[in-house]
Amino acid sequence: EAGVAQSPRYKIIEKRQSVAFWCNPISGHATLYWYQQILGQGPKLLIQFQNNGVVDDSQLPKDRFSAERLKGVDSTLKIQPAKLEDSAVYLCASSLSGSYQETQYFGPGTRLLVL
Amino acid sequence: EDKVVQSPLSLVVHEGDTVTLNCSYEVTNFRSLLWYKQEKKAPTFLFMLTSSGIEKKSGRLSSILDKKELSSILNITATQTGDSAIYLCAGDSEKLVFGKGTKLTVNP
Repeated sequence: EAGVAQSPRYKIIEKRQSVAFWCNPISGHATLYWYQQILGQGPKLLIQFQNNGVVDDSQLPKDRFSAERLKGVDSTLKIQPAKLEDSAVYLCASSLSGSYQETQYFGPGTRLLVL
Repeated sequence: EDKVVQSPLSLVVHEGDTVTLNCSYEVTNFRSLLWYKQEKKAPTFLFMLTSSGIEKKSGRLSSILDKKELSSILNITATQTGDSAIYLCAGDSEKLVFGKGTKLTVNP
């Protein structure tokens, strides 16, 4: 079974530029999550999708971050404009239906450096 | 605000040692406590604990939850260099709240 795919693996941009990350979840997984992991911290949930609907985006900085999951499969996370403090690893995860006691499977992440 | 605290933040041991990693949580609408191992970037699932006092085991790793103390421990016996990683604990309250992790280094 193929795992969660993410691209790019690394990205370096200057502040105020925009950047987009892509995630393809495990086939058949209805729930998709985006996490931000700053160096030395645990992952922090940014947004959770159930199919193509948003379940939780309470910790997404909506003035600069946006995410979509058209057709309920792939997802993109965008930052515009980027700030220095956005430097982090962005992890995508998926689970079968998002219900209790389900395991989340993580992708390899995208490491973003904002200069 | 939901909070998960792990200790120690960093640990260096020799191969063959036994280690205990600690996790305490303050999570509203608590459903479960999860442990992940993070090597390089992607966290991989280790355990999900929902019931107090029931130990879960996988090879040399084991974990137990104490709902009265709002805590969990992860034990690794006979450590190997391949156990070197960051171990993350997360409280599940309809979303996962992660601690900062414990960075374990196992030296040969």
